[in-house]
This record gives sequence, C-alpha cells and structure tokens, in this order.
Amino acid sequence: DTAVSQTPKYLVTQMGNDKSIKCEQNLGHDTMYWYKQDSKKFLKIMFSYNNKELIINETVPNRFSPKSPDKAHLNLHINSLELGDSAVYFCASSTLRLAGALLAKNIQYFGAGTRLSVL
Amino acid sequence: AQTVTQSQPEMSVQEAETVTLSCTYDTSESDYYLFWYKQPPSRQMILVIRQEAYKQQNATENRFSVNFQKAAKSFSLKISDSQLGDAAMYFCAYRSADSGAGSYQLTFGKGTKLSVIP
Repeated sequence: DTAVSQTPKYLVTQMGNDKSIKCEQNLGHDTMYWYKQDSKKFLKIMFSYNNKELIINETVPNRFSPKSPDKAHLNLHINSLELGDSAVYFCASSTLRLAGALLAKNIQYFGAGTRLSVL
Repeated sequence: AQTVTQSQPEMSVQEAETVTLSCTYDTSESDYYLFWYKQPPSRQMILVIRQEAYKQQNATENRFSVNFQKAAKSFSLKISDSQLGDAAMYFCAYRSADSGAGSYQLTFGKGTKLSVIP
C-alpha cells in the first residue's frame, strides 16, 4: 500500500490554466507538506499543514493555494499557471508523535512527485 | 535561517568500492535532526539514514553510515560496497527540533549525483 500518494504523476497544461494536484497519506500523520523541486533539482518547502492548520507558507505566489479538507489530504491548487511553475512537486507527511513501531517521528515520507509542465 | 551545503555536485564510484558524500550545515540551534535522502531516476524520495544531533554515536543502516561532526557542522554519508542500485541523487537535509515553525520543514542541500561504475 502506498503511504503517501499524489495524483497525477504527470501534468501537462497550457499557460493561464488552473490545475490541482492531490495528495493523500494513509500513515495517520498529522502534518503534511508541499515541496517544489526545480530544474536544477533544488528542493524547497512551499507549505506545511499541521492538523489542517497552515504552519508554513514560504514566499510562494498567491496563485498557489493549498487546501486540507482533513488531516489525510493536502491538495495544491494553482491558478493562472506560468512557465516558471514547471517543476516537480512533492507531497510529504510526518508526525510529531510516535505513531507505532514501524514509523518514527520526525521522518518525512514523500510521495512519488508530480511533474508539472507548463507550455 | 539554516543552510545546508553539498559541495560535490557529482561523484562516481566503482561498484563494490566505498564512497563518501559531503554535507555541511549552518545553524545556531543545538538540537536538530539530519537526514540523507536518495532520489533515483524514478524520482521517488527515499530516506536513507537519519541522525539526531544530541546523539554522539554515528547512525548506521546496513551499507550506509554517517560521520557526524557536530562541532564542525559536518554530516557526511559513507556508502560501502557500492551497488548499481545506489546510483541516484543524494540530498542532505536539516530539520529543527524546536517546537516552532522550523520543525515543520526540511531544509535541503542542492544534492550530489552519484554514479556507480560497473
């Protein structure tokens, strides 16, 4: 079973469109994240949600809006897509509490990434 | 703000040999966590090993071990008996242990691309 799953894996779209990337985790974690990996492979935090509450919002354009309907989901909606938004977007989750023998706190588990290409 | 530096953009190692990837970081905090993540061509981010700053003992996971030098703020990854499947991008990452916003994010280095030569 996939622990952190994000869909779609690939997203090709035109400039100006609005798109969403979905993320779900089945680990019982209370914290979820979105990271952006640019063309040079640099990974940077975008958002962090803890118990559905926004904790971190880095200097990301307000065209990006995360939505957390519940603790297991953190979706990323992007309005008016621009060429510079092309990147790989990773969802991750973690817990600050011990969640069982197989999981260790403070470790972030990542999804497989979504490659967004804006044409 | 914390920074993580990986000074080797690319490294290569002969199969079955040992390679060490470097990582240094800058922080004013005394308690934190350090991680090495692996990203193979499949793009998946896979945790390789982690280290708590308060532990003096270096972490080890099978063929992977770290050399954690807290005073020098250095956290290198050693891969022994390298295998073809070890070829990937390796990212060093830092996470604060405080209770504030810093504990909710990983700060990554720019990565080291490791090639394994058969």
